Amino acid sequence: DTEVTQTPKHLVMGMTNKKSLKCEQHMGHRAMYWYKQKAKKPPELMFVYSYEKLSINESVPSRFSPECPNSSLLNLHLHALQPEDSALYLCASSHRGPEETQYFGPGTRLLVL
Amino acid sequence: AQSVTQPDIHITVSEGASLELRCNYSYGATPYLFWYVQSPGQGLQLLLKYFSGDTLVQGIKGFEAEFKRSQSSYNLRKPSVHWSDAADYFCAVEGAQKLVFGQGTRLTINP
Repeated sequence: DTEVTQTPKHLVMGMTNKKSLKCEQHMGHRAMYWYKQKAKKPPELMFVYSYEKLSINESVPSRFSPECPNSSLLNLHLHALQPEDSALYLCASSHRGPEETQYFGPGTRLLVL
Repeated sequence: AQSVTQPDIHITVSEGASLELRCNYSYGATPYLFWYVQSPGQGLQLLLKYFSGDTLVQGIKGFEAEFKRSQSSYNLRKPSVHWSDAADYFCAVEGAQKLVFGQGTRLTINP
């Protein structure tokens, strides 16, 4: 099974709200990723967790806060977002690191009003 | 730094016609190369990957890709496209602990 699940599928939030995106995989993968994808653009890497530790932060604004509570779960906490943060947020996982195949979830479509 | 170029932003082919999507990469070492497909509003699905060995790689849904080191290319091919192949296609290279994507090619299928 190569499934990565993401919840919710859609999210609408105001600029003062706090919300969280959730990603889960049960493939035993030890690397997990958050990407942001704007319309008609490729995914842009935001964060990489390796063995539950944050290994890469691509200079993402602090209003995005990742969390990896265990090896199967990855959260992205959102606070005080801007309308330009509206995008598709994709989670991915791989066995150990980026040199291996990354399996993507279906994404969360976020709209910030 | 590694980079990926997909020269064609949009390609339109007729159903049943052959397809080739171009991908050129820039990377100093032996690259790990991937092709992903994304249907509207969906996540990315891996079509095929090249790590080493045979330079002609067979993937899912009847796709294949050929790695040509001399041309720094990893083009995606399919002998006969189906209407369900309409989607965005992304070539990617792994380097420096990151997956770097090309800008993508949107494939439209004429009936």
